[in-house]
Amino acid sequence: DAGVTQSPTHLIKTRGQHVTLRCSPISGHKSVSWYQQVLGQGPQFIFQYYEKEERGRGNFPDRFSARQFPNYSSELNVNALLLGDSALYLCASSLRSGGAGQYFGPGTRLTVT
Amino acid sequence: DQQVKQNSPSLSVQEGRISILNCDYTNSMFDYFLWYKKYPAEGPTFLISISSIKDKNEDGRFTVFLNKSAKHLSLHIVPSQPGDSAVYFCAASLKANAGGTSYGKLTFGQGTILTVHP
Repeated sequence: DAGVTQSPTHLIKTRGQHVTLRCSPISGHKSVSWYQQVLGQGPQFIFQYYEKEERGRGNFPDRFSARQFPNYSSELNVNALLLGDSALYLCASSLRSGGAGQYFGPGTRLTVT
Repeated sequence: DQQVKQNSPSLSVQEGRISILNCDYTNSMFDYFLWYKKYPAEGPTFLISISSIKDKNEDGRFTVFLNKSAKHLSLHIVPSQPGDSAVYFCAASLKANAGGTSYGKLTFGQGTILTVHP
């Protein structure tokens, strides 16, 4: 079975632009979570969606938004990009909404210039 | 507020010896703990987990120990292999009835870089 997939792998954006990152969960998984990892730190929780509903939100500004589609894939949108948004964005999927059993994708490396 | 801490940024071990990675937490409402391994340019890979009702969980060369009274967990790798060289993250999640909207959130430590020398 395929693991969690994310697209694109890398992208470069300019300050003020917006970006959409995509994630496809493991088949059968209904929960998708998004994390931001900056260099030298552990991943920071942004959102969790389960059964197409937002179940959790981390301490990120409203410029960050997400949604989950009927096929359980998900998009993370970031508006008005700042230099500080440069990071590795990770998607994790799991069967249920709890913290256990979260499997991560390879991530999308976003660079804001 | 760093609720999960890995105080050792790096660890260097000889091949065949034991690697011990440590993690401390402050939130007593955490009830499930996980270890992930991460290579450069890849996402974290799940290694092993432990529920707060246990004090030890073993899977092959990997063993996780949980000391709830000390709010401390450790990952033992025996024997260590050069392919184990990576960044290791511990993570914690909240109890279902305490997590509220953060039930599915994993809180990560800063990571420890493990280098296993041949």
